[in-house]
Amino acid sequence: GQQVMQIPQYQHVQEGEDFTTYCNSSTTLSNIQWYKQRPGGHPVFLIQLVKSGEVKKQKRLTFQFGEAKKNSSLHITATQTTDVGTYFCAARLEAAGNKLTFGGGTRVLVKP
Amino acid sequence: DTGVSQDPRHKITKRGQNVTFRCDPISEHNRLYWYRQTLGQGPEFLTYFQNEAQLEKSRLLSDRFSAERPKGSFSTLEIQRTEQGDSAMYLCASSRGAGDRATNYGYTFGSGTRLTVV
Repeated sequence: GQQVMQIPQYQHVQEGEDFTTYCNSSTTLSNIQWYKQRPGGHPVFLIQLVKSGEVKKQKRLTFQFGEAKKNSSLHITATQTTDVGTYFCAARLEAAGNKLTFGGGTRVLVKP
Repeated sequence: DTGVSQDPRHKITKRGQNVTFRCDPISEHNRLYWYRQTLGQGPEFLTYFQNEAQLEKSRLLSDRFSAERPKGSFSTLEIQRTEQGDSAMYLCASSRGAGDRATNYGYTFGSGTRLTVV
């Protein structure tokens, strides 16, 4: 079963508004990565977080790794139509070997 | 280098037929991964290689699936006796790194091969 959970599954956002999507695991993660998949496209690597409590920013996107390294969040400010897509978190799980396990994704729709 | 290439982009096959997909990773990357993605789901791990060695294969993968990376460069994924449940997008990705450090690097995905079994 899926060991990396993302909420919400869907996010409808008015253009210009902010929103946050969350990624949770029951186990401690060594690192976490975020990917974006545009409709009809393939996942594209955005960022990696490694340290407890780490915060990284990419323009309007802010990524945070939880203090216990069991959760992460992605916050987007002033949403634009170009933000449409599915955002996946992915992590290496200790019991799952040496590869990334992806969450189910948050599908973002932007209302103009 | 133009990234990760996958061929074909689309494949329609009849149930029971065999299909083979090809992936050409970024040349400097020694890790190659195969994932499967169905509509509305995240990528699901199938198998990965470090150079030519297949290091892990998902327990969800039946014996009908086999992957190779004979010279540590391109890889092929073969599905024998296809079933309708095999219909999905098959994604290949590559990355740098080895061992535990491999997951310290982001994956570069190809555009995928969309398989439809009729």
